[in-house]
Amino acid sequence: DIVMTQTPLSLSVTPGQPASISCKSTQSLLHSDGKTRLYWYLQKPGQPPQLLIYEVSNRFSGVPDRFSGSGSGTDFTLKISRVEAEDVGVYYCMQSIQLRYTFGQGTKLEIK
Amino acid sequence: EVQLVESGGGLVQPGGSLRLSCSASGFTFSTYAMHWVRQAPGKGLDYVSAISSYGGSTFYTDAVKGRFTISRDNSKNTLYLQMSSLRAEDTAVYYCVKDREYEFWSGYPDYWGQGTVVTVSS
Repeated sequence: DIVMTQTPLSLSVTPGQPASISCKSTQSLLHSDGKTRLYWYLQKPGQPPQLLIYEVSNRFSGVPDRFSGSGSGTDFTLKISRVEAEDVGVYYCMQSIQLRYTFGQGTKLEIK
Repeated sequence: EVQLVESGGGLVQPGGSLRLSCSASGFTFSTYAMHWVRQAPGKGLDYVSAISSYGGSTFYTDAVKGRFTISRDNSKNTLYLQMSSLRAEDTAVYYCVKDREYEFWSGYPDYWGQGTVVTVSS
């Protein structure tokens, strides 16, 4: 299985400040079709995960533009330009280049 | 609006069986692959199984292979997960997840249901 490693595992951010989460995979997520199979999900408290970013940098439907994704190969980053109270929860990266899909351990975002 | 509603969870003894169902609406169910992902209490996300849009292709994580069976009834817009020989480590919230494509190896999970709780305990 591909191992996904997120850092940090938790962060506390003042509203209006930026936040950044790193995700590293044990092998390249670049598919032969040219797409990189890296995704970001947010699980808000008491809710199921919701898709934020697909294929590294594409915001899913309805996701605010303060969320952005970047990276290539094995190193990826999720950035929130200005954290809002509604952004609290656990963020997961996931790879889909190899079955079984695997997730990072999760990064818990709290508001200061 | 995409809606996925899981049911069938509950308390079961080790070695027992359960069948989970996921009723889908708001999209053309028969044209999308589907997944099951679980989350043990206080833990992260764990990928379980997938099925193609027509049901001809399936995948299982090693931990459930031979014990779980994924299936779908496109005429009823329903996804299933038949679970047998249940173990304590199968205790989790089970999420039904829609894929972006009709084959699960070419797309990605997009919409998630609210989940159903499975507890395996004596």
